[in-house]
Amino acid sequence: EPEVTQTPSHQVTQMGQEVILRCVPISNHLYFYWYRQILGQKVEFLVSFYNNEISEKSEIFDDQFSVERPDGSNFTLKIRSTKLEDSAMYFCASRETGLASYEQYFGPGTRLTVT
Amino acid sequence: DQQVKQNSPSLSVQEGRISILNCDYTNSMFDYFLWYKKYPAEGPTFLISISSIKDKNEDGRFTVFLNKSAKHLSLHIVPSQPGDSAVYFCAASEETSYDKVIFGPGTSLSVIP
Repeated sequence: EPEVTQTPSHQVTQMGQEVILRCVPISNHLYFYWYRQILGQKVEFLVSFYNNEISEKSEIFDDQFSVERPDGSNFTLKIRSTKLEDSAMYFCASRETGLASYEQYFGPGTRLTVT
Repeated sequence: DQQVKQNSPSLSVQEGRISILNCDYTNSMFDYFLWYKKYPAEGPTFLISISSIKDKNEDGRFTVFLNKSAKHLSLHIVPSQPGDSAVYFCAASEETSYDKVIFGPGTSLSVIP
């Protein structure tokens, strides 16, 4: 069964450093998402991406964040200058086109630790 | 600003019995609702969804009920199995932005053998 994959599984970085989290969505999916879950808190929507542009973003997704689809398979989330409060689990998700279902398929997540 | 609420942080149920997980929402613009299940160290897994034009959707052991006037939905799992032990998230989105899915805080379900 096709699945969303994410690398790395765990990233440790120092405050102020740039990080890039990588995702490979399911191959025939055209909508892509990033979410985060701070430890003990709820899953929070960050951004959605379709047709090579951001379609929705939350107030969390400020100028420190950017997303990119650099090739036909990868989808990345970049945090330019990490803060301690960026420590969280980051989930990538994707879904098919069409209006039959808005079901999103999630990857296993990348745990980001900012020290 | 909790638009999606799950007021029970945890729930324990005997194997074979019914599990009922509840969810309330405050945003009247929500018109599509989803339930996700999450195991530790994994991403959320889609379970079932319901559009606001329906009041019930069933898929195997899982049934979701929607009461729009009360802004309430519930997920019923019958019969409950030990493998159902996980955190269950209720989620919702608006018609004008189905991509922006708002999650509730989750309910941890334990099914006791």
